[in-house]
Amino acid sequence: AQTVTQSQPEMSVQEAETVTLSCTYDTSESNYYLFWYKQPPSRQMILVIRQEAYKQQNATENRFSVNFQKAAKSFSLKISDSQLGDTAMYFCAFMKPLNAGKSTFGDGTTLTVKP
Amino acid sequence: DTGVSQDPRHKITKRGQNVTFRCDPISEHNRLYWYRQTLGQGPEFLTYFQNEAQLEKSRLLSDRFSAERPKGSFSTLEIQRTEQGDSAMYLCASSASVQAYFGPGTRLTVT
Repeated sequence: AQTVTQSQPEMSVQEAETVTLSCTYDTSESNYYLFWYKQPPSRQMILVIRQEAYKQQNATENRFSVNFQKAAKSFSLKISDSQLGDTAMYFCAFMKPLNAGKSTFGDGTTLTVKP
Repeated sequence: DTGVSQDPRHKITKRGQNVTFRCDPISEHNRLYWYRQTLGQGPEFLTYFQNEAQLEKSRLLSDRFSAERPKGSFSTLEIQRTEQGDSAMYLCASSASVQAYFGPGTRLTVT
């Protein structure tokens, strides 16, 4: 079974600065997907970024980028130029390709962006 | 495309009562998932449908829980004889490929 660990329950960052959220996972699979989801307070979860394990290039989406280290089973999220609207709970998730849509989630990191 | 919707958004019930939640996925998404999320934790997978077929159920889904997706469109999740430990956010998600789209959830409080 896969496990996903987010070791930082809470983090804070000043507006316009950069913050990195950590995630490690455990799997015996060689091909899989990794995701970062954002869940703002009282709002629904949305996908921030995804990474296919067979791709060596790290994914980027505007201010969001990942550092994917497959051998170390590490998948961190970097948020650049943090904005107040980035305040949310962030979940790291793992998915096997044959189980498309069914993911194993970490327990989340609560990020607060301070003005 | 109006996104995944769930009804009700909030439900308060007394222990021992039955409750039913509804999920309407994004149209033409053939896959539908139910997750449970308790405070301070990430979502935990409960069950998965491909069209109308329930293909997988988590061990978390006790005999008191049942889910259906009768025509491969909307889905219902029923909890019988609710217990205080059932208090949680119940999330629905749908997908047509890799990406899953989540609904706003139904928050259940069992008193």
